[in-house]
Amino acid sequence: DAGVIQSPRHEVTEMGQEVTLRCKPISGHNSLFWYRQTMMRGLELLIYFNNNVPIDDSGMPEDRFSAKMPNASFSTLKIQPSEPRDSAVYFCASGDRGRKGYTFGSGTRLTVV
Amino acid sequence: SQQGEEDPQALSIQEGENATMNCSYKTSINNLQWYRQNSGRGLVHLILIRSNEREKHSGRLRVTLDTSKKSSSLLITASRAADTASYFCATDAGNAGKSTFGDGTTLTVKP
Repeated sequence: DAGVIQSPRHEVTEMGQEVTLRCKPISGHNSLFWYRQTMMRGLELLIYFNNNVPIDDSGMPEDRFSAKMPNASFSTLKIQPSEPRDSAVYFCASGDRGRKGYTFGSGTRLTVV
Repeated sequence: SQQGEEDPQALSIQEGENATMNCSYKTSINNLQWYRQNSGRGLVHLILIRSNEREKHSGRLRVTLDTSKKSSSLLITASRAADTASYFCATDAGNAGKSTFGDGTTLTVKP
């Protein structure tokens, strides 16, 4: 089992550019979560999916953020246009309805300059 | 707002000592989880304790849960330098399987 796979590991982009983060959850997990981690705000839940359906996106900061899960093995988090305050580490995690805890990916470190 | 809050924010001990971290939460929960995060890495799930459980062990880890006080503790016995990391609690309070994380305790174990 390769675990939760996120790409890219690092992304540096200019303000105003579109950024797409990708996640491949663990096969068989029916929940997928996108988190953002910063020193100031800690770990914030942005959005989560159950069975590919978005359940709660109340943590998405603004309309510039969008997330999709077209199938059980792939999800994207898109920021368009990106801003310097979006700089953070973005984690994807998958789980089985919380029964055994979540498995986190290694994260994408995003820097918007 | 964050459901779980860890205490202390930072803890520094010598190798071989025990480390205790606490987590308090506000609403009824289905389960509570503890995670470890090494610097620059993702979170790693350590242990899950259900609301009807009071204590759980895994190796050098011992987790207790007191639902009447809405609190949990994580004890790491005989700590090692490799235990240096941030530790987070997360609570699952609903039916949708969503867990809410606290701000974490940063543990430093000095060799």
